[in-house]
Amino acid sequence: EVQLVEFGGDLAQPGGSLRLSCAASGFTFRDYEMHWVRQAPGKGLEWIAFINSGGSTISYADSVKDRFIISRDNAKNSLYLQMNRLRVDDTAVYYCASGYSTKWVDYWGQGTLVTVST
Amino acid sequence: SYELTQPPSVAVSPGQTGSITCSGDRLDNKYVAWYQQRPGQSPVLLIFQDYKRPSGIPERFSGSSSGNTATLTISGTQALDEADYYCQTWDTNMVFGGGTRLAVL
Repeated sequence: EVQLVEFGGDLAQPGGSLRLSCAASGFTFRDYEMHWVRQAPGKGLEWIAFINSGGSTISYADSVKDRFIISRDNAKNSLYLQMNRLRVDDTAVYYCASGYSTKWVDYWGQGTLVTVST
Repeated sequence: SYELTQPPSVAVSPGQTGSITCSGDRLDNKYVAWYQQRPGQSPVLLIFQDYKRPSGIPERFSGSSSGNTATLTISGTQALDEADYYCQTWDTNMVFGGGTRLAVL
């Protein structure tokens, strides 16, 4: 059974940092492209970051570029999101998502809540 | 940046056929996927590459694309289909539509 389990969501102050992790199991992680997608309270889905299966290609949404860093460790079947210079509008549920193709998501995690507030 | 436009809400009667549209510039040149998100749950892939269904997705969910519009059609709509539905494509990056709330009335 495919599982994506996110960790690390928490309450953070504006300007602070958080690191999210995603543990993958039930599929060959190193063969899959990975994304982070977030959903602000009551809002729609927003793609924020992509890393290809080998880790050599990375892209970001403009809203998080230069603040967030996506990475992966294929030996540990894990995906990460380093979130720096957090803003109030970064408050959202963050989903780890995988796809055999770059162009869609096959599997989603259960999400982890990040709240940025004073 | 590329944009996908969906109607905010669609209503359908139980047992009837409902459709949700997704519009984008030259969308027929891109693959479209559709996701269902029930309240409090993670999204689930319903359709990929415009019309293909992953294993386990009921046949009453179908997808099509023509011109600038992709369509998700739900036949024999059931109460459990009440959810938010998102279209998605890939331009230079992944792009989601704003979502459509399907009400089964």
